[in-house]
Amino acid sequence: GNSVTQMEGPVTLSEEAFLTINCTYTATGYPSPFWYVQYPGEGLQLLLKATKADDKGSNKGFEATYRKETTSFHLEKGSVQVSDSAVYFCALSDHGEAAGNKLTFGGGTRVLVKP
Amino acid sequence: DGGITQSPKYLFRKEGQNVTLSCEQNLNHDAMYWYRQDPGQGLRLIYYSQIVNDFQKGDIAEGYSVSREKKESFPLTVTSAQKNPTAFYLCASSVWGRVSGNQPQHFGDGTRLSIL
Repeated sequence: GNSVTQMEGPVTLSEEAFLTINCTYTATGYPSPFWYVQYPGEGLQLLLKATKADDKGSNKGFEATYRKETTSFHLEKGSVQVSDSAVYFCALSDHGEAAGNKLTFGGGTRVLVKP
Repeated sequence: DGGITQSPKYLFRKEGQNVTLSCEQNLNHDAMYWYRQDPGQGLRLIYYSQIVNDFQKGDIAEGYSVSREKKESFPLTVTSAQKNPTAFYLCASSVWGRVSGNQPQHFGDGTRLSIL
């Protein structure tokens, strides 16, 4: 089956700092990667996604490029804000009728942005 | 607005009791999912359902049961056989099918279950 590895947190940053969260995966099929964000006490929200190799997903200043050659989907933001404090999850789905839309999640990375 | 509603937000259970967590969606999605999240950890799949009256075990189904009598609803029962039920439970839904792999899952706001 698929597996997703993302860097462990917590990651503590000052406001306006650059953020990178690494995510790598192993997969047997044709996966599509996602980043989800979870704010305290809430469910997960889709942050961005990619469909094919070299696609760049972007949303709210966050970006991630789907690199098949390195099996990675690293999340970046150039200038973080206190409101970006949350837990970030990298996830992978597989194509194909049998796989449908099941997701495999990484363990999550907690990010804390200080003013 | 379409979305997923989980209730209640907080739930308390006495040892030996079964409890049922509600999940309703109005997104017209075929597939629904239940996840368990423990503090500081990722999500683990409990059960999922691709279509009404059908469901499959996920990675940690022991001590849990589900039903899917309606497309909109996928309740989860935490039975007394689940020895460590205290956790945050998340319900999700999505489209399902051969070309759905790049479609995201949509999540509810979760139910936090605690043992008294």
